[in-house]
Amino acid sequence: DAGITQSPRHKVTETGTPVTLRCHQTENHRYMYWYRQDPGHGLRLIHYSYGVKDTDKGEVSDGYSVSRSKTEDFLLTLESATSSQTSVYFCAISRSIVDPNTQYFGPGTRLTVL
Amino acid sequence: DAKTTQPTSMDCAEGRAANLPCNHSTISGNEYVYWYRQIHSQGPQYIIHGLKNNETNEMASLIITEDRKSSTLILPHATLRDTAVYYCIVRVVGSGAGSYQLTFGKGTKLSVIP
Repeated sequence: DAGITQSPRHKVTETGTPVTLRCHQTENHRYMYWYRQDPGHGLRLIHYSYGVKDTDKGEVSDGYSVSRSKTEDFLLTLESATSSQTSVYFCAISRSIVDPNTQYFGPGTRLTVL
Repeated sequence: DAKTTQPTSMDCAEGRAANLPCNHSTISGNEYVYWYRQIHSQGPQYIIHGLKNNETNEMASLIITEDRKSSTLILPHATLRDTAVYYCIVRVVGSGAGSYQLTFGKGTKLSVIP
C-alpha cells in the first residue's frame, strides 16, 4: 500500500461540465502522475509533476490541466468534459527520484461523461 | 525502450509456482526489466525489477538469463488473488524528464485455478 487515495472513485457527469479529480499521497514523494486507461489503448500518461508547482504534459494532455500546490495533492481538471474523456483515471507516485520507473498506483477513478 | 514478448495467457494451479516468461532480445546494457501486474478493476501494481542478477522480494522472484535476452517472473505459491494480467517492460533507469510514462503491452493473463 503506497498511501495513495483518489477521489471520487466514481463519477458521472454531463458533457461540457468541469470535473476535478483528486490524488492524495501520504508519503511526500516528489513525482506524481496522472494516467488514463482505455480498452485498446492501454495506459497513457496525461500529466506528471516533479514537485510543488512543477508539472509537465504527457502523451494525451489536450483537454486536461493539473495543479500541485502541496506535495501531497495532485489535481486533474477536465475544463469542459467530453464523451471521449470517459475513462478510468489512475494516479501514481514514484518513491525514488533515481528510478521513476518504479511507480505505485492509486485505486482509480471511473469517470463517465454523458 | 526494448520490445518485449509475452504469452497471451497461462494457467497455474493454486499453490503451485507460476512461471511467467518474457523475451526482450533487443535489450540494451543499461535497460532494466520491470514487472507489473493489474488485477481486474484495480490499479497496476509494481512487482519487481532487475538488471542482470536474480532478484527476490516478498512478492516474487525475477530470473534474468545471462545474455539478458529473456527473463522469468516466479510467483512461488500462486493463490487465487494472483489472477491478473502481468506486464513485462524494459526501461532505462532515470530516463529523464518527459519519459516517465510506463507503457504496458498486452501482457500475460494469468489464471490461477483452484
